[in-house]
Amino acid sequence: DTAVSQTPKYLVTQMGNDKSIKCEQNLGHDTMYWYKQDSKKFLKIMFSYNNKELIINETVPNRFSPKSPDKAHLNLHINSLELGDSAVYFCASSPELGSGANVLTFGAGSRLTVL
Amino acid sequence: GQNIDQPTEMTATEGAIVQINCTYQTSGFNGLFWYQQHAGEAPTFLSYNVLDGLEEKGRFSSFLSRSKGYSYLLLKELQMKDSASYLCAVMDSNYQLIWGAGTKLIIKP
Repeated sequence: DTAVSQTPKYLVTQMGNDKSIKCEQNLGHDTMYWYKQDSKKFLKIMFSYNNKELIINETVPNRFSPKSPDKAHLNLHINSLELGDSAVYFCASSPELGSGANVLTFGAGSRLTVL
Repeated sequence: GQNIDQPTEMTATEGAIVQINCTYQTSGFNGLFWYQQHAGEAPTFLSYNVLDGLEEKGRFSSFLSRSKGYSYLLLKELQMKDSASYLCAVMDSNYQLIWGAGTKLIIKP
């Protein structure tokens, strides 16, 4: 059983389209995250949810909207896709916020290519 | 601002030892993590240090000096499968993770 699963693994789409990436974790964790990893391999936090509540919202364009229907799911919807959105998007989960030894478990990543 | 520095790329020989350094400047400190990321895969947790000193876990060890803002990951008896990127991340006073850009380790036979 995959601990953190995200779909789709690959997504190729045209500029201006709207797309969604889904994420589910079966670890019973309270906190979930979306990260963006660009071509330089730098991991950048986008959003963090704790028990379905938004905790961290970094300076991300409002074209990106996360949705957490329950604490096991955190989906990412992207409107009006731009070339610069091409990246690998990682979902992750961790036991809790506010704890030092808060180990993240990552999903396999969703590679988004905008043409 | 907050900053994590680690070398971009390192090369080592199979069977040898390699040390990957990480220096940090963050707003507070609640621990330092090392993650391994193979090409095209997800990062996976390697180690966590919150107190000064060396933590050993099999072939991998991680060292922390909080006064120097410095850590290293030591990999012994290198194997080809250790070819990967190694990411250093620090948890700041708000319990947010600040990530380095990663060190790509290339192992040669």
